[in-house]
Amino acid sequence: NAGVMQNPRHLVRRRGQEARLRCSPMKGHSHVYWYRQLPEEGLKFMVYLQKENIIDESGMPKERFSAEFPKEGPSILRIQQVVRGDSAAYFCASRRDGLRSSYNEQFFGPGTRLTVL
Amino acid sequence: DQQVKQNSPSLSVQEGRISILNCDYTNSMFDYFLWYKKYPAEGPTFLISISSIKDKNEDGRFTVFLNKSAKHLSLHIVPSQPGDSAVYFCAASARNTGFQKLVFGTGTRLLVSP
Repeated sequence: NAGVMQNPRHLVRRRGQEARLRCSPMKGHSHVYWYRQLPEEGLKFMVYLQKENIIDESGMPKERFSAEFPKEGPSILRIQQVVRGDSAAYFCASRRDGLRSSYNEQFFGPGTRLTVL
Repeated sequence: DQQVKQNSPSLSVQEGRISILNCDYTNSMFDYFLWYKKYPAEGPTFLISISSIKDKNEDGRFTVFLNKSAKHLSLHIVPSQPGDSAVYFCAASARNTGFQKLVFGTGTRLLVSP
């Protein structure tokens, strides 16, 4: 039973380029979350998606960042025109369907470490 | 505005002793709490959770205590083992957001020495 998968694990971009981060949730999970961790800080919520829908993007910067979770394929976090301040670890998490509070347990992938030169 | 706080950036404990990691929160709407463990260059691993209707939840060597009136929770690890050395994050969520997003503390780095 594979866990949450993210690729690439490491991504190096120059300022102004685009970064695409991919996340495949656990089997049977249709809820995907993206978090960002800056050095020496905790994880900060960015966006929550279900298949084909953005449910909550309150943590996402208004410009340059976008996310999608298509009907088929992985969730994608896209950062256009990257700047040095975008350098961070980006984690994807998924959880199973259902309304029970215990279903709030989110399972994380290994992260993508983005370095902007 | 840090809604979830872990005021101890680090903790050192000897193998076999108890590790106590603390977490405070300010948002009274939080009613579900989780602890995650994180090794370098890996994603957080879920450890244990607790709902606000309980004040204690136990799973093997890990016990989480919740004091709602003090808006405080703690994670006890007994006995501590060197493999427990990692960064521990406290996280919280709220029913009024559908428990959707987790709000994390800044983490406590635990070092268990042999």
